Amino acid sequence: AQRVTQPEKLLSVFKGAPVELKCNYSYSGSPELFWYVQYSRQRLQLLLRHISRESIKGFTADLNKGETSFHLKKPFAQEEDSAMYYCALRFEKNYGGATNKLIFGTGTLLAVQP
Amino acid sequence: EAGVTQFPSHSVIEKGQTVTLRCDPISGHDNLYWYRRVMGKEIKFLLHFVKESKQDESGMPNNRFLAERTGGTYSTLKVQPAELEDSGVYFCASSRTPKRLAGGDYNEQFFGPGTRLTVL
Repeated sequence: AQRVTQPEKLLSVFKGAPVELKCNYSYSGSPELFWYVQYSRQRLQLLLRHISRESIKGFTADLNKGETSFHLKKPFAQEEDSAMYYCALRFEKNYGGATNKLIFGTGTLLAVQP
Repeated sequence: EAGVTQFPSHSVIEKGQTVTLRCDPISGHDNLYWYRRVMGKEIKFLLHFVKESKQDESGMPNNRFLAERTGGTYSTLKVQPAELEDSGVYFCASSRTPKRLAGGDYNEQFFGPGTRLTVL
């Protein structure tokens, strides 16, 4: 079964410390993974996706198929990074078209202390 | 460009009552998705519309939930009768037509602010 696991409900770090938000997945097909973020009183928004291999707001995430992981990392946390972070897996269904159906983890609340 | 909008932002109802949630997608987005986050759990997919057609409703919990998208524009999600376990935040998202996974571009889902439903 397809599943996304985020083992930490809360991650608290000090400003300037490195951050790693863990995400593991199980999926029988070729995975496409994303990180979504929800800042306080804002809507859920896409942070980054593994295919684009980009760095957004200093965050990076590498897909490790051997470990079935897609951990989100930032070398130096900032207070404005405090938010809820969701790892998500795109599910492709074989009905003749692509789908954007997303399978989310339970989320990790990142709290960056001053 | 206006984002995805949802109405109401909050709804408090009693068990057994009916509630209808509304979602207005971004103009031009044929794809509309409903998700739900129950307290302490993951954001879970409910269903997916392509224009007015239900493409995938595998996530709908039971027949107390009815989603419609008449005319392929806005969508409604009705819960009748509501139960305590229906409490949560209901998110709507929209996107352009997704392209094939292999060699294609992912079309980002844009989320609405959510409707917080509390069933007492």
